[in-house]
Amino acid sequence: AQSVTQLDSHVSVSEGTPVLLRCNYSSSYSPSLFWYVQHPNKGLQLLLKYTSAATLVKGINGFEAEFKKSETSFHLTKPSAHMSDAAEYFCVVSDIDDYKLSFGAGTTVTVRA
Amino acid sequence: GAVVSQHPSWVICKSGTSVKIECRSLDFQATTMFWYRQFPKQSLMLMATSNEGSKATYEQGVEKDKFLINHASLTLSTLTVTSAHPEDSSFYICSASSSGTGVYDEQYFGPGTRLTVT
Repeated sequence: AQSVTQLDSHVSVSEGTPVLLRCNYSSSYSPSLFWYVQHPNKGLQLLLKYTSAATLVKGINGFEAEFKKSETSFHLTKPSAHMSDAAEYFCVVSDIDDYKLSFGAGTTVTVRA
Repeated sequence: GAVVSQHPSWVICKSGTSVKIECRSLDFQATTMFWYRQFPKQSLMLMATSNEGSKATYEQGVEKDKFLINHASLTLSTLTVTSAHPEDSSFYICSASSSGTGVYDEQYFGPGTRLTVT
């Protein structure tokens, strides 16, 4: 069974500074990994996904994530935070033979002006 | 493309009544739909998976007689919370996938329905 651990429940950054959201995964097989963002009272939006292609994945809104198999990590980064990045972020894993998604506990990002 | 809608976006009902939540894929055929539940400031928990024309598969601990799921067409799945109680108050989110074989395909999420049982 697969699972993810988001290492930070809350991250606070200043506008214009880098953002790092950490995620470690556990999976029996080759996983598919995703980052989703959820703004208040809004649906989940896919930021990016890794499905065994390039290990550095670029997503929307300037986010990117790097798949590191040796470290079982899939950390999300953005070089310069914007006020609109304030939201809840979920790291998600799916095994190649199991269509179910397993969500991490989420990381709340706040952006200070 | 790949838009999923939910209706209603929020609903308040009295304890003991039933409430139906609709999930529609607007621009694609969803052979598989998923229902999640999210408590305040918590993660999403998968409740059940439904494939068009067949019975839903419920996750362990989810009462299938309480949470009735019907996936009657390739664009519509419904979740009915029967005999609702205050502890059923939550944010219910659906997602839809165009995969027909059960092999993973991207899931597209609806905006969610907030249920409050008084």
